[in-house]
Amino acid sequence: AQSVAQPEDQVNVAEGNPLTVKCTYSVSGNPYLFWYVQYPNRGLQFLLKYITGDNLVKGSYGFEAEFNKSQTSFHLKKPSALVSDSALYFCAVNLSAGNKLTFGGGTRVLVKP
Amino acid sequence: DTGVSQNPRHKITKRGQNVTFRCDPISEHNRLYWYRQTLGQGPEFLTYFQNEAQLEKSRLLSDRFSAERPKGSFSTLEIQRTEQGDSAMYLCASSRNRATNEKLFFGSGTQLSVL
Repeated sequence: AQSVAQPEDQVNVAEGNPLTVKCTYSVSGNPYLFWYVQYPNRGLQFLLKYITGDNLVKGSYGFEAEFNKSQTSFHLKKPSALVSDSALYFCAVNLSAGNKLTFGGGTRVLVKP
Repeated sequence: DTGVSQNPRHKITKRGQNVTFRCDPISEHNRLYWYRQTLGQGPEFLTYFQNEAQLEKSRLLSDRFSAERPKGSFSTLEIQRTEQGDSAMYLCASSRNRATNEKLFFGSGTQLSVL
């Protein structure tokens, strides 16, 4: 079984400040980890993924995420948030031998000017 | 690359009626997925296809739900005898191939409201 937890329903941050969205996972094998973003009235969009190799992964729109195996975490970060980053963010996990993504419950990010 | 297209965008129906949704994946994408998303929750896996073959179905997919992908291109999801609990956003996604590390391309979804 595989599961993902996003402990924060909402994250509020001022524009220009660092943004962190937390994610922890539970799998019984090697995980493939993903972040997706959902803007209002739009489909989910891929941001970045961790498959193997460097624990720090860089993605779209200046986002990055750090894979931490010992803490089973994959937190999403952005050094300087923009108002346009306000959206719903989903962490997801797949097993290396798996066939489907399991999503977390989502974290709403609100960036205030 | 025209993206994943889903129709209709919104569907309002009365309890007990049947509804059908359509998904057109990105052309030449072999994998097609259906997810369901309720308000405040993450997408939940329903089923997926490799070309025309339906390879896995979630336990969430009761016998009132059926999905097809007859020619390995577009897919339909039918819900028979709808219930109020079926109200949700139904998302379709596709990916290029069977590699499990492939990113998914999502459509904008079909919002179903069962009255």
